Amino acid sequence: KAGVTQTPRYLIKTRGQQVTLSCSPISGHRSVSWYQQTPGQGLQFLFEYFSETQRNKGNFPGRFSGRQFSNSRSEMNVSTLELGDSALYLCASSLDALLGARGNTIYFGEGSWLTVV
Amino acid sequence: DQQVKQNSPSLSVQEGRISILNCDYTNSMFDYFLWYKKYPAEGPTFLISISSIKDKNEDGRFTVFLNKSAKHLSLHIVPSQPGDSAVYFCAASWGAQKLVFGQGTRLTINP
Repeated sequence: KAGVTQTPRYLIKTRGQQVTLSCSPISGHRSVSWYQQTPGQGLQFLFEYFSETQRNKGNFPGRFSGRQFSNSRSEMNVSTLELGDSALYLCASSLDALLGARGNTIYFGEGSWLTVV
Repeated sequence: DQQVKQNSPSLSVQEGRISILNCDYTNSMFDYFLWYKKYPAEGPTFLISISSIKDKNEDGRFTVFLNKSAKHLSLHIVPSQPGDSAVYFCAASWGAQKLVFGQGTRLTINP
């Protein structure tokens, strides 16, 4: 079965611009979460969506937003880009709960590499 | 506030020897712990997990140990193989809340 698909894989943006990243979860998965990976910070949770509703949110400024569509596909948007937003953005999907435990496992996409110049 | 910490950014181990990756946490509410492995240009993949009611879980060459009193968990890989070279993330969760990840440890297995 197809895995988690993220687009675009690589992109370069200028400070002040905005960017939209897309994630298609595994078929049948209704939970989609987003993470930011930077050197030294590990994976930091951005937000999680389930059935088009944001269920959990991390400690990121309001410039970071997301949404989920009825087909479970999700997008995240970063407005007014800053140099510090340069990172690998990872999307993960799971059947239901965000946990990788209790019978659920979360599956990650390959990520979208964002470089802000 | 880093609730899950991996204090060693890198680790180098000889092929065939044991690799021990460590992780500390501060939140006593965490009740489930996981390890993920990440190769360059790929997303993290689930490796092994452990519930807080256990102190050890084994899966082939991989064993995770949990010391709740010390708020410490470790991943043992025996024997280490070149294909184990990757970045390893520990993660923790409680209830139906988000996963909290550590900073990652880059493991290099030397032939």
